[in-house]
Amino acid sequence: DTGVSQDPRHKITKRGQNVTFRCDPISEHNRLYWYRQTLGQGPEFLTYFQNEAQLEKSRLLSDRFSAERPKGSFSTLEIQRTEQGDSAMYLCASSLLAGAGELFFGEGSRLTVL
Amino acid sequence: DAKTTQPTSMDCAEGRAANLPCNHSTISGNEYVYWYRQIHSQGPQYIIHGLKNNETNEMASLIITEDRKSSTLILPHATLRDTAVYYCIVRVEHAGGTSYGKLTFGQGTILTVHP
Repeated sequence: DTGVSQDPRHKITKRGQNVTFRCDPISEHNRLYWYRQTLGQGPEFLTYFQNEAQLEKSRLLSDRFSAERPKGSFSTLEIQRTEQGDSAMYLCASSLLAGAGELFFGEGSRLTVL
Repeated sequence: DAKTTQPTSMDCAEGRAANLPCNHSTISGNEYVYWYRQIHSQGPQYIIHGLKNNETNEMASLIITEDRKSSTLILPHATLRDTAVYYCIVRVEHAGGTSYGKLTFGQGTILTVHP
């Protein structure tokens, strides 16, 4: 399968714990995005990378959130000291540098904070 | 990016055309109309996009009014697998043809296709 893959697909954690999600984009895609989706809502933009550079972060991305894309390939999204309000689906997407806005999304990582 | 308005939900009979409307009355001249859909428990999937001309691909057709203030996504022969949330998104393309890629999703239209 050559699509965007995310791991883990599901994560249940206790409040205060740290969690990390991984995203492997489509191999030739320069751009990588993280979105968050809560129940009944559309996805919300969190951050995006062009190669290894993180070029924009939403104000939704509090100091407890950090994203990296160290070699311009896979990316990780870490949430420290999780809160119940962090419970959501975390979606990763990738696209070509000069793409026409066509993003390829993974199936998401669902986080439940107890 | 311009705001869009879509009906909350729509029904369609299997095999019939599904016509999903979207209002984007504040759209600017350099903003494109994009459609994505999200099937339950999956990530969003790109369907089609356009600027001012009607567009068609293997999945759907996009009809944009002449004043560009509204558009309609047409699924010509809906199947049960087309049941999903459909998002209409308006986004600006940067000069030179490069795109940023950030999408602002609304709540979309829940399309239910019935047997």
